Amino acid sequence: DTGVSQDPRHKITKRGQNVTFRCDPISEHNRLYWYRQTLGQGPEFLTYFQNEAQLEKSRLLSDRFSAERPKGSFSTLEIQRTEQGDSAMYLCASSLAGGPPGELFFGEGSRLTVL
Amino acid sequence: GEDVEQSLFLSVREGDSSVINCTYTDSSSTYLYWYKQEPGAGLQLLTYIFSNMDMKQDQRLTVLLNKKDKHLSLRIADTQTGDSAIYFCAEGDSGYALNFGKGTSLLVTP
Repeated sequence: DTGVSQDPRHKITKRGQNVTFRCDPISEHNRLYWYRQTLGQGPEFLTYFQNEAQLEKSRLLSDRFSAERPKGSFSTLEIQRTEQGDSAMYLCASSLAGGPPGELFFGEGSRLTVL
Repeated sequence: GEDVEQSLFLSVREGDSSVINCTYTDSSSTYLYWYKQEPGAGLQLLTYIFSNMDMKQDQRLTVLLNKKDKHLSLRIADTQTGDSAIYFCAEGDSGYALNFGKGTSLLVTP
């Protein structure tokens, strides 16, 4: 399978704990995105990387959230001191610079439940 | 942020046409998109339209854009049960920070 893969698919944690999600994009894609989706809502943009550079961050990304893409390949999204409001599906997507605009390839998501 | 509004639910019979509507508020949107989300699967780009176009057709899909009214629609001809999914309208200008609507859940009945 050469699509976008995310791990873990589901994480249950207690409030106050830290969690980390990993995303492996399609191998030749140099752009990587994180979105968050809550029940009954559309995806909300969190952040975007081109290669290893984080070029855009949403105001939704509070200081408890940090994303990295150290070698321009996989990315991690860490949430520190989780809150119940962080419960959501965290979606990763990738695309190729120069490809059709907005053609993002999404993974199946990592569902976070904060108790 | 800017709003993208969609009706939440649509039910059609197999073989009929489906029309999913969307309104947006950001007049600077360069591109408008339709994504499909099937249960347990990632979002998939169905089609997109440049803001200087009125219509785009791609096999069973027809996208109509009324830029004056900021209204976008997706028509699916000969709707099949496999088309049952959530359809998201999205707008953007740079191609990365897409602004999605809440999605329209399409149910196709035999």
